[in-house]
Amino acid sequence: DAKTTQPNSMESNEEEPVHLPCNHSTISGTDYIHWYRQLPSQGPEYVIHGLTSNVNNRMASLAIAEDRKSSTLILHRATLRDAAVYYCILTGYGGATNKLIFGTGTLLAVQP
Amino acid sequence: GAVVSQHPSWVICKSGTSVKIECRSLDFQATTMFWYRQFPKQSLMLMATSNEGSKATYEQGVEKDKFLINHASLTLSTLTVTSAHPEDSSFYICSAREGGTGTEAFFGQGTRLTVV
Repeated sequence: DAKTTQPNSMESNEEEPVHLPCNHSTISGTDYIHWYRQLPSQGPEYVIHGLTSNVNNRMASLAIAEDRKSSTLILHRATLRDAAVYYCILTGYGGATNKLIFGTGTLLAVQP
Repeated sequence: GAVVSQHPSWVICKSGTSVKIECRSLDFQATTMFWYRQFPKQSLMLMATSNEGSKATYEQGVEKDKFLINHASLTLSTLTVTSAHPEDSSFYICSAREGGTGTEAFFGQGTRLTVV
């Protein structure tokens, strides 16, 4: 299974940009890169996903390296409500990669 | 975004009884649903994947006779914890996806199960 590696924790200040890295050196050509986040005692929330090109939506931006072996989730202006565990997940076609398997994620703390 | 409703949000049951948790996709048809359990301060652990009308595929180590999953329609999946024991106490979360791996998944709010 293609795995992802994320820092255990990061800190940010409110209203500053946050760059959350994810390494996935064994990614295959059909794997999508998904990001979800989870607030305490809640189910995860979809953030963004992409395949090869950078992606933007109202919540965040996803920057994907040219070789696709790493990606970065960008929160343009962190708020206190962005404090959560962020998960970077690869999903692909067929077999185990069709599943949505969570790693340990990055715990983001946002300071006022 | 799309809405996935999970019910109940919390339940307390006696040891040896069974508990059913429902997961509904309210505004889309879920071709695939996932069930997870999460212990305190840990990540989500995938229990099983189900496709509408098919038997669920369980992850290694998950007892299929204890955790019964039914995905009877494109908008409803249920997880029944049979003969619950205190060690089954956990946070159970469902997820639904309309399309393939290139589409986003949406999650229920979770069910806190406490077995006493």
